[in-house]
Amino acid sequence: EAQVTQNPRYLITVTGKKLTVTCSQNMNHEYMSWYRQDPGLGLRQIYYSMNVEVTDKGDVPEGYKVSRKEKRNFPLILESPSPNQTSLYFCASSPQGTEGAAQHFGDGTRLSIL
Amino acid sequence: GESVGLHLPTLSVQEGDNSIINCAYSNSASDYFIWYKQESGKGPQFIIDIRSNMDKRQGQRVTVLLNKTVKHLSLQIAATQPGDSAVYFCAENILPGGKLIFGQGTELSVKP
Repeated sequence: EAQVTQNPRYLITVTGKKLTVTCSQNMNHEYMSWYRQDPGLGLRQIYYSMNVEVTDKGDVPEGYKVSRKEKRNFPLILESPSPNQTSLYFCASSPQGTEGAAQHFGDGTRLSIL
Repeated sequence: GESVGLHLPTLSVQEGDNSIINCAYSNSASDYFIWYKQESGKGPQFIIDIRSNMDKRQGQRVTVLLNKTVKHLSLQIAATQPGDSAVYFCAENILPGGKLIFGQGTELSVKP
C-alpha cells in the first residue's frame, strides 16, 4: 500500500530536549516536504526536498533541521524544542515537485513541548 | 509579502446545493494552484489543481476557476454532500520550485 508514514504520531516532551520526527514513503517519490498546522494559521511549509541531498527552506524553517540522505526518508529534527513549536506536523511526498495529483500526506504528528 | 487568503472562514450549505469557496493570492508570479480537502483528524487530500495558462478546470463534481487579473481562485462543488464537510485549503506555487504557500482554510459544513 502506497503511504507516507510518520513517527511518532503523538509526543509530549520538554523544552530543550532534542527530538526527531521520522517520515518515510514507499513510493520512490523525489519530492518530500514538512508542514506545521496551527489554528488560524493554516498549513505552513517548514522545509522541502526536491531530491536526495537537496533541501530548501519553506516559510517557517527557524528552529528546525532536515536531512535527505536517501530517497525514502525525510526526518524533521528539533535540536532544542521550545513551546512555540507545539503544533500538528505533516509530512508529504510526490513523484516530482509539487505538481500533480499524486501528493500524499501522512496522518500527522502532534507535538506538545512543555 | 506573499500571501494566500480565503474570503470566508466558514461556509454552511444545504445538501444538494452548490458550494463556492474563494481564495485570493498576492504573488502574481505564482503559476500553479492546488485545492486540498482536510477532514477532521486526517492529513490534507488533493482535490484539483490548475496552471496559470488555464482559466477553468473540471473534475468530478468540482471545478476550479482562476482569474489572474484579480488574482482570485475559487473551488466550486456541485450537489454538495455531507461527505464534503471538511476544511478546504488553497495553495500557490511557482513551478518548478517546491515552495507551497497555503491559505488559512475554509470550513465547509453541509446540512442534511
